[in-house]
Amino acid sequence: DQQVKQNSPSLSVQEGRISILNCDYTNSMFDYFLWYKKYPAEGPTFLISISSIKDKNEDGRFTVFLNKSAKHLSLHIVPSQPGDSAVYFCAASRRESGAGSYQLTFGKGTKLSVIP
Amino acid sequence: GAGVSQSPRYKVAKRGQDVALRCDPISGHVSLFWYQQALGQGPEFLTYFQNEAQLDKSGLPSDRFFAERPEGSVSTLKIQRTQQEDSAVYLCASSLGTITEAFFGQGTRLTVV
Repeated sequence: DQQVKQNSPSLSVQEGRISILNCDYTNSMFDYFLWYKKYPAEGPTFLISISSIKDKNEDGRFTVFLNKSAKHLSLHIVPSQPGDSAVYFCAASRRESGAGSYQLTFGKGTKLSVIP
Repeated sequence: GAGVSQSPRYKVAKRGQDVALRCDPISGHVSLFWYQQALGQGPEFLTYFQNEAQLDKSGLPSDRFFAERPEGSVSTLKIQRTQQEDSAVYLCASSLGTITEAFFGQGTRLTVV
């Protein structure tokens, strides 16, 4: 049973437009959410995170929105650039829950292609 | 370099062979994690060390998998009697504290033939 779901395997966006990547989760114990970016043949790189006590976190061109009631989060990239082309993973943890708080549960990823 | 280093980058093993995958974390990082990423999937947690102590090995898929970090720095993930389903990318990550500040290595791609 997948606890973190990224239902879109791929997404294509024109350069300069907004990219929206979506993620759903089922485990209500998750209280911290992260987005990782992965280029081919490299390890995942931390991008941005959000605690469950917030509904929005912004860092430059990247904004993460969290809707706890819907168990849904999204990553917005504005404006999208060709260098943003990568696989984006959504991940969740139970940071405040003690046992397992260091574990990350990942989605399957969404491949973003930004077209020049 | 300053990042997490994993070796080898690629490993081809014959079924039944034992393999050892090495991870050199960032100097001073207390926490070390191993993840397994199968093709088309997200990384899945295998095990966690805090210094030399293995605090969680609940993600190791079978007793053929063994990890150690004897001096609280370099870690080795060993897989005995490899099977085809072990084929995956094995990712190591390290952090000063929680997973939220973790840095991942490039991974070791293991192919069992």
